[in-house]
Amino acid sequence: GAVVSQHPSWVICKSGTSVKIECRSLDFQATTMFWYRQFPKQSLMLMATSNEGSKATYEQGVEKDKFLINHASLTLSTLTVTSAHPEDSSFYICSARVPFGSLGYTFGSGTRLTVV
Amino acid sequence: QKEVEQDPGPLSVPEGAIVSLNCTYSNSAFQYFMWYRQYSRKGPELLMYTYSSGNKEDGRFTAQVDKSSKYISLFIRDSQPSDSATYLCAMGSSGSARQLTFGSGTQLTVLP
Repeated sequence: GAVVSQHPSWVICKSGTSVKIECRSLDFQATTMFWYRQFPKQSLMLMATSNEGSKATYEQGVEKDKFLINHASLTLSTLTVTSAHPEDSSFYICSARVPFGSLGYTFGSGTRLTVV
Repeated sequence: QKEVEQDPGPLSVPEGAIVSLNCTYSNSAFQYFMWYRQYSRKGPELLMYTYSSGNKEDGRFTAQVDKSSKYISLFIRDSQPSDSATYLCAMGSSGSARQLTFGSGTQLTVLP
């Protein structure tokens, strides 16, 4: 149980285009999802917290107009990287807190974004 | 100073060895502690979860928390090549459901 499905697993896009990444909680309702960014051999950096039915909370230094987050339902949160540039190339991972037991937080499998 | 410090390694051990991975933290508000394993180009998967000082064992893995020293450890017994991955410590406080704070990760290689 407690699976978060993230897709696409990898995507290549041209500079200036937008890319949407989806995360779905498959067997539980996730009122809150977290979006992270990870550079090679570095830890996860929290970008924003996505709340169902309300605006996302962005961490300091994260451009909310570039990284659009939508959490329209209890099982789906999306991250759209708008007007992507090569420096946006990274590994993006979503996570949700498991609302039962002591399973902590569960993570999606990540999306490798390459902007060319 | 980072809230969570973790030796990045890399750490290389022979198969069967006991591995010790460690994190220190500075925020005394942290109340629960986790260890995640991350294979290359994959999302982290939860290994251990604990919220009290002491030891918690699960198979070959033992998580140890010392809140007085603000120090946590993960021990892996009888390490296997399949244990080769990056191990991330993470911690959070119950007063904030916002986020976990992660260590930088330790890259482990278990040699056959």
